[in-house]
Amino acid sequence: EAGVAQSPRYKIIEKRQSVAFWCNPISGHATLYWYQQILGQGPKLLIQFQNNGVVDDSQLPKDRFSAERLKGVDSTLKIQPAKLEDSAVYLCASSLDQGWEQFFGPGTRLTVL
Amino acid sequence: SQQGEEDPQALSIQEGENATMNCSYKTSINNLQWYRQNSGRGLVHLILIRSNEREKHSGRLRVTLDTSKKSSSLLITASRAADTASYFCATDPYNNNDMRFGAGTRLTVKP
Repeated sequence: EAGVAQSPRYKIIEKRQSVAFWCNPISGHATLYWYQQILGQGPKLLIQFQNNGVVDDSQLPKDRFSAERLKGVDSTLKIQPAKLEDSAVYLCASSLDQGWEQFFGPGTRLTVL
Repeated sequence: SQQGEEDPQALSIQEGENATMNCSYKTSINNLQWYRQNSGRGLVHLILIRSNEREKHSGRLRVTLDTSKKSSSLLITASRAADTASYFCATDPYNNNDMRFGAGTRLTVKP
């Protein structure tokens, strides 16, 4: 069974530029999560989808971050414009349903200069 | 805000020793999960324990849950150098479905 796929693996941009990350969850998983993990810290939930609906986006900085999960499968996370403090690893995870075991992708390491 | 808080922040032991990590949380939960993260890698699920369970085993891992104290512990027995990683607890709160991770315990197992 294929795992959670993410791309790109690495991205370097300058502040005020925009960037997009892509995630393909495990087939059949209804729940998809985006996390931000700053070096030395635990993952921070940015947004959680149940199929193509948003369950929780309370920690998403909505003035610059946006995410969508069209057709309840793939998802994209966008940052526009990026700030220096956005430098982090962005992790995508999926689970069969809410509260179940999560499977994580390898992450995208973003560096904002 | 983070729900789970791991303790200690860092732990260093010799190969063959046991390692115990603790997690405390604040609100009622449906379940609590433990994950491992090797340096620069994604997180790997270890164990899920439900709120009506008190103990669970998986290989060399033993997890306990005390809902009255809102705490959980992860015990790794007969540790190996390959167990060196960060360990996180994540809680599934009872009144909503958003998972919350703690800051993690950094475990170093010296060969």
